[in-house]
Amino acid sequence: DTGVSQDPRHKITKRGQNVTFRCDPISEHNRLYWYRQTLGQGPEFLTYFQNEAQLEKSRLLSDRFSAERPKGSFSTLEIQRTEQGDSAMYLCASSLVKGATEAFFGQGTRLTVV
Amino acid sequence: SQQGEEDPQALSIQEGENATMNCSYKTSINNLQWYRQNSGRGLVHLILIRSNEREKHSGRLRVTLDTSKKSSSLLITASRAADTASYFCASTRGGTTDSWGKLQFGAGTQVVVTP
Repeated sequence: DTGVSQDPRHKITKRGQNVTFRCDPISEHNRLYWYRQTLGQGPEFLTYFQNEAQLEKSRLLSDRFSAERPKGSFSTLEIQRTEQGDSAMYLCASSLVKGATEAFFGQGTRLTVV
Repeated sequence: SQQGEEDPQALSIQEGENATMNCSYKTSINNLQWYRQNSGRGLVHLILIRSNEREKHSGRLRVTLDTSKKSSSLLITASRAADTASYFCASTRGGTTDSWGKLQFGAGTQVVVTP
């Protein structure tokens, strides 16, 4: 499978715990994005990378959220001290940087904070 | 905040009918894209239209773009039950190269096609 893969697909955690999600983009894609989506809403932008550089982080993102893409390949998204409001689908996408190109999305990681 | 707003929020049609949904956006764009999402799944890219294009076709899909009105429409012709999904428009803002890739989504239109 040469698409975007995310791991895990589902995560249930207790409030206050830390969680980490992984995203493996399409190999030749140099842009990688993280989005969060709650029921009935469109994806909300969190952050994106071009290679290993984090170009933008949403102002809506609290300091409990951090993302990395250390070698410009896979990325991790960590949420510290999870809260019930963090329950959502976390989507990763990748694309090429040049010109106007489509983004390819993974299947997402569904987080439930209990 | 979300860049786009889709209209209607929900649409119920029968197989064979056409489905039309609209998207309005707020700022200047480089391009506008439409995505489909089946329940609980990831998004699938449908079609991209650049800011200097006015209409584009792909199979049963037809997209229009009116930059003067900051709006786009997606038409699905001869709908099928398999077209049941949520449809989102997403745009990349005009400006610097760095802003090209950041997609901003609307809240989506939920389409139900009954056999």
